[in-house]
Amino acid sequence: GESVGLHLPTLSVQEGDNSIINCAYSNSASDYFIWYKQESGKGPQFIIDIRSNMDKRQGQRVTVLLNKTVKHLSLQIAATQPGDSAVYFCAQTGANNLFFGTGTRLTVIP
Amino acid sequence: ETGVTQTPRHLVMGMTNKKSLKCEQHLGHNAMYWYKQSAKKPLELMFVYNFKEQTENNSVPSRFSPECPNSSHLFLHLHTLQPEDSALYLCASSQVYTYSNQPQHFGDGTRLSIL
Repeated sequence: GESVGLHLPTLSVQEGDNSIINCAYSNSASDYFIWYKQESGKGPQFIIDIRSNMDKRQGQRVTVLLNKTVKHLSLQIAATQPGDSAVYFCAQTGANNLFFGTGTRLTVIP
Repeated sequence: ETGVTQTPRHLVMGMTNKKSLKCEQHLGHNAMYWYKQSAKKPLELMFVYNFKEQTENNSVPSRFSPECPNSSHLFLHLHTLQPEDSALYLCASSQVYTYSNQPQHFGDGTRLSIL
């Protein structure tokens, strides 16, 4: 079956540093990918998305990179702030579904 | 403010109780979803409604019964639940039912505990 996973379950970064959160996926036919942020006690919040005809997309302080050759997706957060502490998970489209990863918990150290 | 509101935020119930979860979206979307989120597991899709019609039921036990009276409201009726049903139940919406080019927007969930 399809799977979406992240490379690390936890990540700690110093405030002000850049963060990179990785995600691997199995379905080479997926054409749409999304990153979500989930803070404690809240639901997943949409951060940024990317379609398979692109390899990079930038938002405010965030960049998503897509490498279809190795089926790898990453989220880069510039100048990480305490408010960025949360669980981040990726999602990819399948045939008739959206598959979610289990998440990476990002902790920002002041 | 996410545009998707879920009530109650927390619910504790016995296995013989009947309760309902409510979701309302203020985004003008036409598709609504129920997900189950358990610790250490990926989100599990339960039900999908598109323009008030149920389009997917992901082999969910009959003790969970969804209802979608209009495109803005979604309910999940619960009865005779089991302890393993304890989880965070998330509602989401999207413009239309498609997974290929638009994100789903989530509410903050109902934390359900079964005694």
